Amino acid sequence: DGGITQSPKYLFRKEGQNVTLSCEQNLNHDAMYWYRQDPGQGLRLIYYSQIVNDFQKGDIAEGYSVSREKKESFPLTVTSAQKNPTAFYLCASSTRTRLAPGELFFGEGSRLTVL
Amino acid sequence: AQKVTQAQTEISVVEKEDVTLDCVYETRDTTYYLFWYKQPPSGELVFLIRRNSFDEQNEISGRYSWNFQKSTSSFNFTITASQVVDSAVYFCALKRYSGGGADGLTFGKGTHLIIQP
Repeated sequence: DGGITQSPKYLFRKEGQNVTLSCEQNLNHDAMYWYRQDPGQGLRLIYYSQIVNDFQKGDIAEGYSVSREKKESFPLTVTSAQKNPTAFYLCASSTRTRLAPGELFFGEGSRLTVL
Repeated sequence: AQKVTQAQTEISVVEKEDVTLDCVYETRDTTYYLFWYKQPPSGELVFLIRRNSFDEQNEISGRYSWNFQKSTSSFNFTITASQVVDSAVYFCALKRYSGGGADGLTFGKGTHLIIQP
């Protein structure tokens, strides 16, 4: 089945550690996105990539880094510079065409807790 | 700047009741898209509907209906004869008309809908 796979589903980290969240898609989508979800805050865009080897900062990129070496993969690293990393992280993908604008396909998310 | 307001943080109704989720948006663009997404307890958001600003016709899909009113900048979502499986967080979103993919997509903060049996 086509879809987006995020791992791990739950992750615990000590302060000062970097962690990397995995996101893989087999939908053949060009564009991929990382969102952060906090209670009562909705979804906020961290980074996005419209094509391999290219990515752009979203609204809250500070303390995060990404790479896009393959079309299928868009890992997110939460660095120790991120002040409040405890959150639910959602990866999504979409086509870049105008045929289905705004239609995102999401993974089931990764919940990161900093101890 | 774009903004989406979902004033209802949480709604709780008894099964089979009708329920309306409100969405009010702000944009300086004359053309744009509006969306609703559903986030069940499993976590992934699921696309429900897209409406472009040219088309103010209401839409019905089974028990779901959407009321788009440009004059009041609202795009409300009604579930008729609610069921327990409708329990989820629902997000309204707004996107600039230009650009493919999810460029310029702004989400509201979501409404947590609880359907009690």
